[in-house]
Parts: sequence; C-alpha cells; structure tokens
Amino acid sequence: DGGITQSPKYLFRKEGQNVTLSCEQNLNHDAMYWYRQDPGQGLRLIYYSQIVNDFQKGDIAEGYSVSREKKESFPLTVTSAQKNPTAFYLCASSIIGGNTEAFFGQGTRLTVV
Amino acid sequence: DAKTTQPPSMDCAEGRAANLPCNHSTISGNEYVYWYRQIHSQGPQYIIHGLKNNETNEMASLIITEDRKSSTLILPHATLRDTAVYYCIVRVAGLNAGGTSYGKLTFGQGTILTVHP
Repeated sequence: DGGITQSPKYLFRKEGQNVTLSCEQNLNHDAMYWYRQDPGQGLRLIYYSQIVNDFQKGDIAEGYSVSREKKESFPLTVTSAQKNPTAFYLCASSIIGGNTEAFFGQGTRLTVV
Repeated sequence: DAKTTQPPSMDCAEGRAANLPCNHSTISGNEYVYWYRQIHSQGPQYIIHGLKNNETNEMASLIITEDRKSSTLILPHATLRDTAVYYCIVRVAGLNAGGTSYGKLTFGQGTILTVHP
C-alpha cells in the first residue's frame, strides 16, 4: 500500500544524546515536512524539503537537522542542542505545484529522560 | 501564509450536523482553504479543501464565503468517531513568486469538536 511511514512509534533517549527519527514515503511526492506537536498545541513546522539535496528551515529549526539524500526519505535528527526535545513528531509529504492534500505519518513520540 | 482563527472548542449531538467555522480574513488569491482533523496521538487526516467554490466529498462539505474571508466545515451527521481536533489551514498551491512558502501547511490551534450521545 502507498503511504508514509514513521518509525519508531515510541522512542526514549537520555538527555544529551542525538537521536534520528525515520520518515519514508512511497507516494512519489517531491515535498516532505517535519512538524513538532506539544501537548494541547497545534503543529509547528521544523523543516521542509521540496527536492532531493535541498531543504528549508521552518519556524522552529534550532536544535534539529535533516537530510534529503533520496526522494523517499527525510530523516530528522534531534540534536543535544534542542532544549526541550520531548514531543510528538509528525512527518508529511505532498506534491508540489498542485492543490492536492498532504499526507501524514502516524508520528513518533520522543521522550528524553 | 494567511492566519486562521477558529473557536477553541465546540460540542455536537450525535446524528446532528456539526458546523465548524474558520476566519481567514487575510487570505490571498492563490491560497486554498484546507481542513484536517487529528484524533488523539495520531497523524492529521485530510478532510477537504477548496479555493472559492463550495466543495463536498464523502466526509464533509466546505462552504466558502464569496469574499473568501471565512469558511465553514460541515459534517452532516456527526458520529462519536468524529470527536477530534479540527484544523483550518490556508495554503499556497504551487510556487510563490519568492519561492519561500510553496505548499507548506501552517497549523493553528484548531477546534476541539466533541460529539456526545
């Protein structure tokens, strides 16, 4: 089935460690996005990419890094520089240049202890 | 991207229509109105979108005012499973002249819809 997959669903890390969240899509979408969601809040954009080897900072990029080496994959690294990394992270993808919808993964809940 | 304003919460009786309003008074001509919903601890689910005409699909109807400054999402027969946070978003379709905000979705706080028996 076509879709967007995030793994793992739950992730625990010790403070000070970098951690990488996976996002893969087989929808042949050019654009991919990473969002962060805190309890009771809406989604905030971290990074987005519309083509391989290119990405742009969103509204809250500090403490995060991404790569886009393949069209299908857009991993997010939460670095030790991110002061409050515990959150729900959502990945999405969409076509560029049309008015179609974005598809979301089921999210990764990261807890840093 | 234009900002949207939604009521923080709404209630609806099961089987009745749920009408969720959204204000987007600064919407520009190339921005579409999108609606998503999010059930707790899941990824947002696309519902419907439109530019200026009213739209209907199997999930909902979208009514956009003639001046495009507001819209209403209608769930015609709400069920308990429709309890969720509903997000109204305006989104540029395609490339901006500056190429800096093409297609990205900017979420607000949304409306918590509670459907009760």
